[in-house]
Amino acid sequence: DAGVIQSPRHEVTEMGQEVTLRCKPISGHNSLFWYRQTMMRGLELLIYFNNNVPIDDSGMPEDRFSAKMPNASFSTLKIQPSEPRDSAVYFCASSVFRNTEAFFGQGTRLTVV
Amino acid sequence: GESVGLHLPTLSVQEGDNSIINCAYSNSASDYFIWYKQESGKGPQFIIDIRSNMDKRQGQRVTVLLNKTVKHLSLQIAATQPGDSAVYFCAEGTGTASKLTFGTGTRLQVTL
Repeated sequence: DAGVIQSPRHEVTEMGQEVTLRCKPISGHNSLFWYRQTMMRGLELLIYFNNNVPIDDSGMPEDRFSAKMPNASFSTLKIQPSEPRDSAVYFCASSVFRNTEAFFGQGTRLTVV
Repeated sequence: GESVGLHLPTLSVQEGDNSIINCAYSNSASDYFIWYKQESGKGPQFIIDIRSNMDKRQGQRVTVLLNKTVKHLSLQIAATQPGDSAVYFCAEGTGTASKLTFGTGTRLQVTL
């Protein structure tokens, strides 16, 4: 298995532009998580899904952030409009429900200028 | 990728020695605790977990100790190797959803 796949690995965009980050979880995993990592705040959970349904989005910072999971093999995290303070590394992780081991992707480094 | 906050504690250990990384957690209701390792440019990687009803668990070269009285968790790495150099995070979780709250991390530097 290739593990959790995220794309793109790096994204540089101008303030105000829409950004879409993509994630393909490990096949057979039914929980999916989006995390953000910054120097100041460390790793923060943004949202997680069970069986494609958003369960807890309390970590999503603002209405500018949205996440979808249209099927078991794909999820997106969208920021519209993007701001410089959104610059961070965004990780997607997946796991089997009720299993503590979550597998992380390589992350997307987002830079908003 | 970037790993942790501005004041990341660093532990420097000589190759072959044992390492002990500590973590204080905040939620006394957490059901389980996990240690993750993050190498530069990579996502966190699961090392070992422990349930709240246990106080010790061993893996390959690693041991996790849990002291619920003082809400303290530690990771012991035996015979530390250069490949162990990374940032180590403790995380706590509640319930069955694998929803984790991560600590700020400790950087482990292994010297030859």
